[in-house]
Amino acid sequence: AAGVIQSPRHLIKEKRETATLKCYPIPRHDTVYWYQQGPGQDPQFLISFYEKMQSDKGSIPDRFSAQQFSDYHSELNMSSLELGDSALYFCASSLRGQPHGYTFGSGTRLTVV
Amino acid sequence: LAKTTQPISMDSYEGQEVNITCSHNNIATNDYITWYQQFPSQGPRFIIQGYKTKVTNEVASLFIPADRKSSTLSLPRVSLSDTAVYYCLVGEGLGSQGNLIFGKGTKLSVKP
Repeated sequence: AAGVIQSPRHLIKEKRETATLKCYPIPRHDTVYWYQQGPGQDPQFLISFYEKMQSDKGSIPDRFSAQQFSDYHSELNMSSLELGDSALYFCASSLRGQPHGYTFGSGTRLTVV
Repeated sequence: LAKTTQPISMDSYEGQEVNITCSHNNIATNDYITWYQQFPSQGPRFIIQGYKTKVTNEVASLFIPADRKSSTLSLPRVSLSDTAVYYCLVGEGLGSQGNLIFGKGTKLSVKP
């Protein structure tokens, strides 16, 4: 079965650079969620999109932005990177109205040096 | 979203049954209870979801008492590969329209 695809798997950036993470949800899923998980931390909700519109916002820094495109893939744009942005970034997708959980991707590990 | 409380860590041995209890005293009428499993450097993986009484699938069982203020995830005959962090989440229509808000999970260590 198709899963949530994230790219790249690993990314190394320098401070003050920008990064773009991509997420391809499961086909026919209409909602995408982004999470950040720092070392030894629990996943923190950043932002979500439903049918290409921002649905909810969590603890996403102003330096970050995200959008969902017409093909339902989503991109998380991160600017002015800081050392503290080093983390695993997960994307999850779901189909509204269908319970039984969300499906997470394998994540992108961002390292800021 | 209802706040959840679960043990920080648990130890077990291969072949044993493991029960992880989660407290959610302010669970709302429309809230579901969902458990996720996460291995290091991997995304959380859905295990089981329930609303009341007992739910069982090929991986685990979920026991929910009548007052729904707690729930217990039961893993039968654990193996080394069950070593992971387990998260209990409570929210309205999870998988439907709610955002998953993770609290502190339980780190399960299975020993040979």
